[in-house]
Amino acid sequence: DAKTTQPPSMDCAEGRAANLPCNHSTISGNEYVYWYRQIHSQGPQYIIHGLKNNETNEMASLIITEDRKSSTLILPHATLRDTAVYYCIVRSIYNTNAGKSTFGDGTTLTVKP
Amino acid sequence: GAVVSQHPSRVICKSGTSVKIECRSLDFQATTMFWYRQFPKQSLMLMATSNEGSKATYEQGVEKDKFLINHASLTLSTLTVTSAHPEDSSFYICSAPSAGRYNEQFFGPGTRLTVL
Repeated sequence: DAKTTQPPSMDCAEGRAANLPCNHSTISGNEYVYWYRQIHSQGPQYIIHGLKNNETNEMASLIITEDRKSSTLILPHATLRDTAVYYCIVRSIYNTNAGKSTFGDGTTLTVKP
Repeated sequence: GAVVSQHPSRVICKSGTSVKIECRSLDFQATTMFWYRQFPKQSLMLMATSNEGSKATYEQGVEKDKFLINHASLTLSTLTVTSAHPEDSSFYICSAPSAGRYNEQFFGPGTRLTVL
């Protein structure tokens, strides 16, 4: 699975959009980009995933660059409860250990009042 | 989304004892489950892949005789930490991929193990 690079930390004001970047320059054609978040002392929570098109769900939006070498997770109106570590993972859906994820260090997002 | 549970959520044990952690997929079947370990202020590290009906696959550096994994059914995997020592104190998290097209992975809430 491709390696990802994320900034270690970011701050965001409550009510504003949080934009979390992720670089995955070695991504291959059959690999999807997944985003998870982990609130302190809890298991990771799935947020969103995408292949090459931008995606949106009730939690967030995912913007993937045309060359697929980077992506941005957008939380449109951050709340204090969005304070967490956000992980960007690149994973093939066809590997023999489907679902196996390699976690990097993630980005610690702190939403401030 | 799919739900994965873990039991217990927190356990404290004496050094030398064994501790069993259960991971259940509540509303879907999982032929494969994954076990992760997370030390304070660190990321999740994959320990092993649990396979229903066959032996678990361990990541490099993980002692299979110390971390026994049994995938008893399509909804249950157990991790037993044998002869636990203080350095085994950690946050243990399991996950299971959904049967959906994109193999989303659903994580349990984690088990906090403290070995005295």
